[in-house]
Amino acid sequence: DTGVSQDPRHKITKRGQNVTFRCDPISEHNRLYWYRQTLGQGPEFLTYFQNEAQLEKSRLLSNRFSAERPKGSFSTLEIQRTEQGDSAMYLCASSSGSRAGNTIYFGEGSWLTVV
Amino acid sequence: GQSLEQPSEVTAVEGAIVQINCTYQTSGFYGLSWYQQHDGGAPTFLSYNALDGLEETGRFSSFLSRSDSYGYLLLQELQMKDSASYFCAAQAGTALIFGKGTTLSVSS
Repeated sequence: DTGVSQDPRHKITKRGQNVTFRCDPISEHNRLYWYRQTLGQGPEFLTYFQNEAQLEKSRLLSNRFSAERPKGSFSTLEIQRTEQGDSAMYLCASSSGSRAGNTIYFGEGSWLTVV
Repeated sequence: GQSLEQPSEVTAVEGAIVQINCTYQTSGFYGLSWYQQHDGGAPTFLSYNALDGLEETGRFSSFLSRSDSYGYLLLQELQMKDSASYFCAAQAGTALIFGKGTTLSVSS
């Protein structure tokens, strides 16, 4: 069990460019989540997968954001035509869904800076 | 809408006891979790309450009152390493909805 891995850890991009983040969840976890966090705020839910199915998306999620989990293992989060307001830490988390409380385990996050 | 309210900052000294309160308003509520986050780090799970009452895990305890839509995290025998942000999170459906966090500063 190596924990949740995210890549890259840091990304600086110019406004208007596309960026993609990858998440490798804990291997036996079938649930995967993406959150966004800005300074001084709590993690904000973006989307949720159970296996390869995207079951829930936040209404706050712009159509410039798309997430996939093609084989029910790793996931990618793509942001198209980035804007400065997209600057944040993007957190991936996973859970098995079998434990009461739905404890989720976060990765270290991918920091995005849009300049 | 769904919201969780917690104090923005709490300060305490080493060895003291501190309580961080959380009130929530969510639909489809299943339980209340607490997470700790150090600067630059990932949130890590501390505790979860699905039922009313107190859950104890070492120096940390968490309490839930469903009728009051209220919970708290109790940290005892504070240590400098406990300085961090603490988030309450409500399980509403499949997603965890987080509060804005409470920054705890522990001084010697």
